[in-house]
Amino acid sequence: ETGVTQSPTHLIKTRGQQVTLRCSSQSGHNTVSWYQQALGQGPQFIFQYYREEENGRGNFPPRFSGLQFPNYSSELNVNALELDDSALYLCASSKSRDYGYTFGSGTRLTVV
Amino acid sequence: KNEVEQSPQNLTAQEGEFITINCSYSVGISALHWLQQHPGGGIVSLFMLSSGKKKHGRLIATINIQEKHSSLHITASHPRDSAVYICAVKVGGGADGLTFGKGTHLIIQP
Repeated sequence: ETGVTQSPTHLIKTRGQQVTLRCSSQSGHNTVSWYQQALGQGPQFIFQYYREEENGRGNFPPRFSGLQFPNYSSELNVNALELDDSALYLCASSKSRDYGYTFGSGTRLTVV
Repeated sequence: KNEVEQSPQNLTAQEGEFITINCSYSVGISALHWLQQHPGGGIVSLFMLSSGKKKHGRLIATINIQEKHSSLHITASHPRDSAVYICAVKVGGGADGLTFGKGTHLIIQP
């Protein structure tokens, strides 16, 4: 098992820019979910993809969007970055919605 | 009010002590997860529970579905157990992701 890999590990962007974060799911996992963790807080659910379709979304605006590819890897895209988007972004994959999760190490995004 | 509440928020103990971290939730769930997060940010899944009790090494997790409460216990605690422990629930039947507590920051002193 290769685990969940996220890239990049750290990123600095300017307010108003766009960013793409990437996640490679663990082998055999077809479900991926993304979370935003602000400093000192628990992670907040952004959205989930199952077999390339978004099938669940948290309370995040449309400028947060995603993709899941046929190999079940995933991207999180954020447009028009705001200072409050600065956070650790975590990706988690699972075999299906009802199985345990494997988390990546996260991407630390700083918006200046 | 957060749907998932953890206590305590911070806990400092001496090496060897028995540790208990509590989690209460207010919604119907299909599963509860205990996770460990180290300062670098990566999260490790410790347990997924839907009923009863699970044990892995020095870690024990229990859940009482009727009382909507779960506990994570660490026996013979060690400084390497120092981390943030997070309780997260999967709301029953939905396609949404996990709902997380704010975490318990545990420090084990030698």
